[in-house]
Amino acid sequence: QVQLVESGGGVVQPGRSLRLSCAASAFIFSNYGMHWVRQAPGKGLEWVAVIWDDGSHQYYADSVKGRFTISRDNSKNTLYLQMSSLRADDTAVYYCARDMQRGISANGIDFWGQGTLVTVSS
Amino acid sequence: SYDLTQAPSVSVSPGQTATITCSGDKLGNRHCSWYQHKAGQSPVLVIYHSVKRPSGIPERFSGSNSGNTATLTINETQALDEGDYYCQTWDRTSLIFGGGTKLTVL
Repeated sequence: QVQLVESGGGVVQPGRSLRLSCAASAFIFSNYGMHWVRQAPGKGLEWVAVIWDDGSHQYYADSVKGRFTISRDNSKNTLYLQMSSLRADDTAVYYCARDMQRGISANGIDFWGQGTLVTVSS
Repeated sequence: SYDLTQAPSVSVSPGQTATITCSGDKLGNRHCSWYQHKAGQSPVLVIYHSVKRPSGIPERFSGSNSGNTATLTINETQALDEGDYYCQTWDRTSLIFGGGTKLTVL
């Protein structure tokens, strides 16, 4: 059974940094593109970032470009999201999610983690 | 940027057919996925490649995509189908989600 388990969420002050992790299991992690998707309170799903299976390409939503960095360690089956210069509007549940192919694909996301809550507040 | 538009809410009676639409410029030329998202749970893929159903998703769920509109159809809707439904498409460098439709079964 594919599992994606996020960790690292919490309460952080505006302007500070936070790193999220996502531990993957029960599939060959290095064969799949991985995404971060978030949902702010009372809002819809918002795509945040993607990284290719081999880490060769990363792309970001305009709302986080220059502040967030997606990375992965295929030897540890772990996906990361380094978030800096955090703002109140970054408050959301952050989901780790697996693409059906190597990077971004027409097929979309087939598995999601349970999410981790990030609250940016003074 | 490319936008997807969904109605905020749809209501249906149990046993009837629910139709949830997603609009975007020439959306029929792209593939579309649909996700079911219930409160407190992770989203679940119910349709991908506009018309394909992942294993484990009931046959009551079907999809179509033509012109500017993709459609998710749920036949014989049940109370457990209540939740938020999101359409999603893609381009070379991003995923694009619709705003979501809240399905109420009453």
